[in-house]
Amino acid sequence: QAGLTQPPSVSKGLRQTATLTCTGNSNNVGNQGAPWLQQHQGHPPKLLSYRNNSRPSGISERFSASRSGNTASLTITGLQPEDEADYYCSAWDSSLSAWVFGGGTKLTVL
Amino acid sequence: QLQLQESGPGLVKPSETLSLTCTVSGGSINSSSYFWGWIRQPPGKGLEWIGYIYYSGSTYYNPSLRSRVTISVDTSKNQFSLKLSSVTAADTAVYYCARIQRDAFDVWGQGTMVTVSS
Repeated sequence: QAGLTQPPSVSKGLRQTATLTCTGNSNNVGNQGAPWLQQHQGHPPKLLSYRNNSRPSGISERFSASRSGNTASLTITGLQPEDEADYYCSAWDSSLSAWVFGGGTKLTVL
Repeated sequence: QLQLQESGPGLVKPSETLSLTCTVSGGSINSSSYFWGWIRQPPGKGLEWIGYIYYSGSTYYNPSLRSRVTISVDTSKNQFSLKLSSVTAADTAVYYCARIQRDAFDVWGQGTMVTVSS
């Protein structure tokens, strides 16, 4: 089934800013927004943002989500070593009647 | 604090039925505010949504898996369960249960690895 499109990898330096993107269509990201998840190797995913871009309790303000049209973005400021992880976007697709995920972006902090 | 824990066999034979249970603690599954879902992740790959259930028993399944999936809920035990029939090696994955709130998977279990092999 069709999913959301994310770049496979992004590399940025310590204390820099990374912006991860997630492209869908009008049936998913454009209509529903896109929650973001962070997953460290060997661990379950953790929610970073809801589809309205708000953060769950306990999530650092360094993580901010936004959306423009059919593309959602996750911006991480002041990159830290612990930010090195896989990041997934997700959305409900009203055409497929299914949750869809992006393929994930592996963020490397240099 | 809400916790979810998956349990079930780690090895299933091809063509048999995979059965997993998710036990919810620190909160009630019997709430109109949440849905309860299953997601899987094949080794080295991304996430795939399997389905979700409401406390009333209403279910919603991934169309690509619908013919093989059954999700049920037992509110008396604060558990919900997954059955996936006619499994093949392609069903080998880490299986996660999660709570769905405000249209997001906001609390996850630790995951359980299920291998399909004879």
